Amino acid sequence: NAGVTQTPKFRVLKTGQSMTLLCAQDMNHEYMYWYRQDPGMGLRLIHYSVGEGTTAKGEVPDGYNVSRLKKQNFLLGLESAAPSQTSVYFCASSFTPAGTGGETQYFGPGTRLLVL
Amino acid sequence: DQQVKQNSPSLSVQEGRISILNCDYTNSMFDYFLWYKKYPAEGPTFLISISSIKDKNEDGRFTVFLNKSAKHLSLHIVPSQPGDSAVYFCAASASNTDKLIFGTGTRLQVFP
Repeated sequence: NAGVTQTPKFRVLKTGQSMTLLCAQDMNHEYMYWYRQDPGMGLRLIHYSVGEGTTAKGEVPDGYNVSRLKKQNFLLGLESAAPSQTSVYFCASSFTPAGTGGETQYFGPGTRLLVL
Repeated sequence: DQQVKQNSPSLSVQEGRISILNCDYTNSMFDYFLWYKKYPAEGPTFLISISSIKDKNEDGRFTVFLNKSAKHLSLHIVPSQPGDSAVYFCAASASNTDKLIFGTGTRLQVFP
């Protein structure tokens, strides 16, 4: 099992450009999450999905869109990148919701994004 | 408003001694708490968790203590090893919610 994989590992964008980050998991998890990690800010939830075809907003959703067309994939889109979106992005998945206490979230290795 | 706080950005401990990482929370609805460990250029990995019905959970060298009245939890690592050097995040969730709320992280360095 590959677990949670993220593509690409690193990307440089110019302000105003668009891009899509891909997250894939092979654990048949229902729940998938996108976080960003910034210095001094910890991990902040951008969007999440509770199942195929569903998405919901997290703490910092502005400037991002997501799609979950297939259960194993969760895409994060930046329509018009801004320097404030320079960050490390982590995808995670879990079999049950965070609040059940039974299953933890499994994280991908991260995508480092630099917006100039 | 930061609901989960880790007030110490860094901690340095000698190998073999105890490491104590602290975490405070403000939301009284939180009833499940986790610690994640993160090495550079890798994603966080789950370390240990505790439910609000307990005040202590132990797994090998790692013990998490929960003080609900103080809204405080701590992670004890004993004995500390150089391989424990990493960033540690605490996280919390409330029953029947879909989200984890993470703290800002504490960078632990264990030196020989």
